[in-house]
Amino acid sequence: DAEITQSPRHKITETGRQVTLACHQTWNHNNMFWYRQDLGHGLRLIHYSYGVHDTNKGEVSDGYSVSRSNTEDLPLTLESAASSQTSVYFCASSRDSADEQFFGPGTRLTVL
Amino acid sequence: EDQVTQSPEALRLQEGESSSLNCSYTVSGLRGLFWYRQDPGKGPEFLFTLYSAGEEKEKERLKATLTKKESFLHITAPKPEDSATYLCAVNPPSNTGKLIFGQGTTLQVKP
Repeated sequence: DAEITQSPRHKITETGRQVTLACHQTWNHNNMFWYRQDLGHGLRLIHYSYGVHDTNKGEVSDGYSVSRSNTEDLPLTLESAASSQTSVYFCASSRDSADEQFFGPGTRLTVL
Repeated sequence: EDQVTQSPEALRLQEGESSSLNCSYTVSGLRGLFWYRQDPGKGPEFLFTLYSAGEEKEKERLKATLTKKESFLHITAPKPEDSATYLCAVNPPSNTGKLIFGQGTTLQVKP
């Protein structure tokens, strides 16, 4: 069955370190998205991509970057981790912009 | 500003006690409204997509409906395993796939 996976599931890092969160989907979807979920803010869009070599900034993109070198993967990089980036991160994908998005299991990131 | 508001924030029901969750939105000409279920420590799980006013979708004890300004998720005779947070999201007219999510309704069903 097609799926979307994220790794690691849990990560603890220190302020100032670079961190990369992986997202891999086997749906062969064009669109991929990264969200963060925090109490009181709900799900907020960080970055998104409509296809290979395409990336776009979302609502809360400062301090984050993504790259799309193939259809299946959209890694999220925190260039210099900050305590404010402690959160749960979800990756999602969809076939088309009008379609439902399917979410991964999430990565819980703690920045100390 | 496009907004999605879900109510109530939290809902406690007895097993078998039917109720409805509300999702109201200010987006005009939306390109789809989505309902998700999220269990603690997990990612949102897709439930339904609604595209036009009057549309209804059903799955087991859940039925989603859509009007021009809001959507309802009706839960009929809920069971404890229906306990979860239910999220609503809209796809605005720009149809970019940049969904606008509500804050969610946390449902607890007691046996």
